[in-house]
Amino acid sequence: SQQGEEDPQALSIQEGENATMNCSYKTSINNLQWYRQNSGRGLVHLILIRSNEREKHSGRLRVTLDTSKKSSSLLITASRAADTASYFCATETSGSRLTFGEGTQLTVNP
Amino acid sequence: EAGVAQSPRYKIIEKRQSVAFWCNPISGHATLYWYQQILGQGPKLLIQFQNNGVVDDSQLPKDRFSAERLKGVDSTLKIQPAKLEDSAVYLCASSLFWGLDGYTFGSGTRLTVV
Repeated sequence: SQQGEEDPQALSIQEGENATMNCSYKTSINNLQWYRQNSGRGLVHLILIRSNEREKHSGRLRVTLDTSKKSSSLLITASRAADTASYFCATETSGSRLTFGEGTQLTVNP
Repeated sequence: EAGVAQSPRYKIIEKRQSVAFWCNPISGHATLYWYQQILGQGPKLLIQFQNNGVVDDSQLPKDRFSAERLKGVDSTLKIQPAKLEDSAVYLCASSLFWGLDGYTFGSGTRLTVV
């Protein structure tokens, strides 16, 4: 069964705008990871946030984690057309099992 | 460093035929995963290896799917016999040690069963 659920399922914005995607999960986790997948390609790891962390930054990416609400958000600032892709959150639980959500399809219009 | 290699890139077979996929993880990565991704969905874990031992195969349809990892390096995933619903992208991933960094995925094998 899928652990994470992303919201929204699809997001369309203009270049230069910020994009925010949310993820909710059900069980206790060791960490939460975000991945990007371009059409027809494999997944690329973007960022990992541990269960004892609340916020993490990497370039134009900002991830927050609220373990009390079992939720996370991914913010992409100053989006570019090249950011167009599907974004997945994945939770790592005991035994290093990595479980993915259904993804958010982001379209950045030039 | 070289990435996770998968082959073939594409495969079309008829239902009830058999098919095999191959994965070569990043050198030194002890943990290897096979995921199935149906179009429009997130990846679903099929099997997880730690070196050459199976850690988790609870979601592997064992009546038709099998996987092995010889000598704790390369891995093969086999489907026999294939069904129409097996049409998907099969992704292989590896990691050095869980919890430290993300997993590295291969480009996947797109399987079409007709």
